[in-house]
Amino acid sequence: TAGITQAPTSQILAAGRSMTLRCTQDMRHNAMYWYRQDLGLGLRLIHYSNTAGTTGKGEVPDGYSVSRANTDDFPLTLASAVPSQTSVYFCASSDSPGVNTEAFFGQGTRLTVV
Amino acid sequence: QKEVEQNSGPLSVPEGAIASLNCTYSDRGSQSFFWYRQYSGKSPELIMFIYSNGDKEDGRFTAQLNKASQYVSLLIRDSQPSDSATYLCAVTDDYKLSFGAGTTVTVRA
Repeated sequence: TAGITQAPTSQILAAGRSMTLRCTQDMRHNAMYWYRQDLGLGLRLIHYSNTAGTTGKGEVPDGYSVSRANTDDFPLTLASAVPSQTSVYFCASSDSPGVNTEAFFGQGTRLTVV
Repeated sequence: QKEVEQNSGPLSVPEGAIASLNCTYSDRGSQSFFWYRQYSGKSPELIMFIYSNGDKEDGRFTAQLNKASQYVSLLIRDSQPSDSATYLCAVTDDYKLSFGAGTTVTVRA
């Protein structure tokens, strides 16, 4: 079982360019999340989706957009990358948003904006 | 104020000792509480969750929750070198899962 898959695993991106980080899960989970992880700051929530067709803003949404056209996919787009978006990005999913449900994480995407 | 705060660490404990990790949260509406472990360069993985006040034990791990004090902790008994990792506290309401910054634990052999 693949679980949750992110692509690419790493990327170097020129500032000002756009990029979409892909996330796909095969567990039919309703909730999906995008986090960025920076040293000393832990995992910070960028955007989330509780079910297909709905999205919400997390702690650090500026400069990022998401869509949830179907259950399986939750892409994260950087419209015009800036160096401060250099980070490790994790996608996660859970069966439902909330009580007692484990979140499963993808392997992460290491993004460097130069 | 960040929603979830953890003791900053790093925490160094000798092998066989108890490691104690603490976490506080700001939203009284938080419903469930999770501890994740993350090895360097890897993705977080769930250790255990707790949603009722009191203690919950799973092997060498014990989670403790006090909703009145908005406090959750994790005890690791008989610490092993393989427990060396960053431990992330997470809380959830109806909509989102929020994490603390993590506490790095090193178990000395």
